[in-house]
Amino acid sequence: LAKTTQPISMDSYEGQEVNITCSHNNIATNDYITWYQQFPSQGPRFIIQGYKTKVTNEVASLFIPADRKSSTLSLPRVSLSDTAVYYCLVGDITGNTPLVFGKGTRLSVIA
Amino acid sequence: DSGVTQTPKHLITATGQRVTLRCSPRSGDLSVYWYQQSLDQGLQFLIQYYNGEERAKGNILERFSAQQFPDLHSELNLSSLELGDSALYFCASSVVWGSGEAFFGQGTRLTVV
Repeated sequence: LAKTTQPISMDSYEGQEVNITCSHNNIATNDYITWYQQFPSQGPRFIIQGYKTKVTNEVASLFIPADRKSSTLSLPRVSLSDTAVYYCLVGDITGNTPLVFGKGTRLSVIA
Repeated sequence: DSGVTQTPKHLITATGQRVTLRCSPRSGDLSVYWYQQSLDQGLQFLIQYYNGEERAKGNILERFSAQQFPDLHSELNLSSLELGDSALYFCASSVVWGSGEAFFGQGTRLTVV
């Protein structure tokens, strides 16, 4: 299971773009990168998943460089409601890889 | 609504007791995961089942056990409870047994007094 490293916390003002980077130097060929969001006392919620280059959905963008040793979750124009913990996971979606969460990045959005 | 149902939502019990937490996965999901989250702690992976079989084990104590039934619902049994077992317990389900998109329930908040 590839180990991931993320910043423990980040602060941002409302309306700014937030980029959270995750390092995963030991990512395997069949591994995908998945990001989850968790609000206090709630279960995590899937945000986005990707394998390489760029993935975008209505919530966020995920940038993955060619070597795939890191990835960046980009949240456009954050609001106070984006204050949450963001988790980066790496694993093989077709294999026997359990969903193991690290400590995540605690994002605080300030008015 | 994620489609994953956990019961009960809240549970208060005394030390030394035994409790059972229940999880009904989304329709069609074969994989079920259990997690423990203590106050201000990360999500600790406990155990994973796929179509009735145990697939992966994390930091699950010997006092804890789980199973997935033929109808795919799962139960987490916690026995000889200690104060430190007080936590939010989450269940998640997914179609595949890898690291794809998983859907989490709202959790069961267990308080041991």
